[in-house]
Amino acid sequence: KNEVEQSPQNLTAQEGEFITINCSYSVGISALHWLQQHPGGGIVSLFMLSSGKKKHGRLIATINIQEKHSSLHITASHPRDSAVYICAVTGGSQGNLIFGKGTKLSVKP
Amino acid sequence: AAGVIQSPRHLIKEKRETATLKCYPIPRHDTVYWYQQGPGQDPQFLISFYEKMQSDKGSIPDRFSAQQFSDYHSELNMSSLELGDSALYFCASSLGSGTGYYEQYFGPGTRLTVT
Repeated sequence: KNEVEQSPQNLTAQEGEFITINCSYSVGISALHWLQQHPGGGIVSLFMLSSGKKKHGRLIATINIQEKHSSLHITASHPRDSAVYICAVTGGSQGNLIFGKGTKLSVKP
Repeated sequence: AAGVIQSPRHLIKEKRETATLKCYPIPRHDTVYWYQQGPGQDPQFLISFYEKMQSDKGSIPDRFSAQQFSDYHSELNMSSLELGDSALYFCASSLGSGTGYYEQYFGPGTRLTVT
């Protein structure tokens, strides 16, 4: 079993829809990261959180430490949101990230 | 604002050759992490450095070595390249290390193709 599990693996949505991507982890963490990766491209950090909720524009990230679960929400989705969204947790003794397998999001116009 | 710089962005090598990838962290960041992402795979942690010392080691092959220099840039040296080394190699930098709340900033990656 992977230490970081994401669902769904693939997600297709229509423009304007509300999107939720889920992440569950089985290890103790100090922080959870949501990352965005465009095809063939680099990784951009969207959020880092250790409790509660953060919002940036149309993106909202929440984490429940007791349940070891986090969600990434995208409101009013747009085709430019199409990317792979990766959940990663800070594990190990020196802060390296443990990655989930990513959720490939495709938003259709 | 300055970001993490990686060079080269693309590299093509033949089997058994060597390659050197470079990572320049955000100014004043003292920690560098290296990750490898194979085709269709999630990134895997290779190695990290804090204040020029190796701080943690992941799934880095013995054929690979890395170091962090006095100006905090880091180099990943890869020898006896194999086809399976073809991947996107990311580095990330942070200010501080260890368990805690240190945000990592990612470079654009170096795409290595071994033929």
